Amino acid sequence: DAGVIQSPRHEVTEMGQEVTLRCKPISGHNSLFWYRQTMMRGLELLIYFNNNVPIDDSGMPEDRFSAKMPNASFSTLKIQPSEPRDSAVYFCASSLDSQFNEKLFFGSGTQLSVL
Amino acid sequence: GNSVTQMEGPVTLSEEAFLTINCTYTATGYPSLFWYVQYPGEGLQLLLKATKADDKGSNKGFEATYRKETTSFHLEKGSVQVSDSAVYFCALSDGYGGSQGNLIFGKGTKLSVKP
Repeated sequence: DAGVIQSPRHEVTEMGQEVTLRCKPISGHNSLFWYRQTMMRGLELLIYFNNNVPIDDSGMPEDRFSAKMPNASFSTLKIQPSEPRDSAVYFCASSLDSQFNEKLFFGSGTQLSVL
Repeated sequence: GNSVTQMEGPVTLSEEAFLTINCTYTATGYPSLFWYVQYPGEGLQLLLKATKADDKGSNKGFEATYRKETTSFHLEKGSVQVSDSAVYFCALSDGYGGSQGNLIFGKGTKLSVKP
């Protein structure tokens, strides 16, 4: 398997623009997670899905952020409008099941820079 | 609330030196504990885990013991290699059954090993 695939690897945009990050989890995995990594705050869980249903979105910073998982093989994280403080590395991860200590498999991340 | 505290880096060692990266946690209940490793330009990978007190997780020469009395999960390796250079994250899951949907990460400790 190719692992968790994220695109794009790098995104540079201007403040106010819409940004869409994409993730393809490992085939057969039932849970998908979106994390944000910054120097100041470290790794933060934004949202996670189980069987395509959002389970916990309490980490989503504000209404500008939204995430969808229309099917088992694809998820998006959208920021609209983007702001400079959104600059970070965004990771997608998947696991077989979120309930039973299954390990997370992370993608390589999307480096987002908002100017 | 639940939290993880790691020693701040960076940590610089010579090859074959002994490594300790301290990690302490605050949690209610009985969390599972994890160490993840992030190599340059990649996503995080699970290194080892322990699910109950006095368990020892081990992998690739790394070890960590779940110490409930000291609320610690220190990472150790007897002889580091240049290839161990990476950022190491301590984490805990506080969900029922060790759900990784509630995985809480420390800030990470960067390790550099010199030949």
